[in-house]
Amino acid sequence: EAGVAQSPRYKIIEKRQSVAFWCNPISGHATLYWYQQILGQGPKLLIQFQNNGVVDDSQLPKDRFSAERLKGVDSTLKIQPAKLEDSAVYLCASRQSGLRADTQYFGPGTRLTVL
Amino acid sequence: QQQVKQSPQSLIVQKGGISSINCAYENTAFDYFPWYQQFPGKGPALLIAIRPDVSEKKEGRFTISFNKSAKQFSLHIMDSQPGDSATYFCAAECGRNRDDKIIFGKGTRLHILP
Repeated sequence: EAGVAQSPRYKIIEKRQSVAFWCNPISGHATLYWYQQILGQGPKLLIQFQNNGVVDDSQLPKDRFSAERLKGVDSTLKIQPAKLEDSAVYLCASRQSGLRADTQYFGPGTRLTVL
Repeated sequence: QQQVKQSPQSLIVQKGGISSINCAYENTAFDYFPWYQQFPGKGPALLIAIRPDVSEKKEGRFTISFNKSAKQFSLHIMDSQPGDSATYFCAAECGRNRDDKIIFGKGTRLHILP
C-alpha cells in the first residue's frame, strides 16, 4: 500500500513570498489533515478535511494560510505571504474515516525555511 | 488551547533497559490517546494507542499505562533496543464539535545506548 505522498520535500523562500505544498493521501482515505511541526515541538493541527469539506480549521491562520481539497482526494496548502515564523515542517496525514480507531498515517513532510 | 504536557524532553537508556515517557492532559473530553514514533526526516508513525476505559494496553515491547483520575498516561518500552532511538510523541484526541480535537505533546528524544 502506497503511503501519503508530499511534495516538495524542501523549500526555501524569502519572507513575504508565497509557497504551496501538495499532498496525496492514501487511496480511499476520506480524512486528510495538515499539521505544522516547528523544530523541537509536536505537530500542531492546522486543518482537517472530511472528503472535500472542512471539519476543523480553527488553528489555521486564515489571513495568510489557505488549504483546499477540491475533489476529495489530494490537497494543497498555501502560505501567502510567508513570515519568518512559518519556518517548520508541514506534515500531511490521512485516515480511512474520521473514526479515531482508524490509524492516522503521516507523510514525510515538507521542510519550509523562510529567510 | 489546552495542552498535553510530555516529559522528559530527552532520555538516555541502556540497551535492554526500560524506557518510560509520561504525558499529562487537562481536557477530560479527550477519549483517545495515541503514541507516535518519529525518525529524522520521516513523519510520525502510530505506535500504540489507548482509550480511557482501560488502564493498560500492551503490544509487544510497548505498553501504555493510563490513569484516568490523575489524567496521566505513560509509554513504557521494555527491553529497549538501539533501533528504538527516535522521538516519541504522545497525543490526545476528542470528538467532533469539541475544542482541542487533536493535541500533541512536545516530544521526547530517546537514545538507547548499545
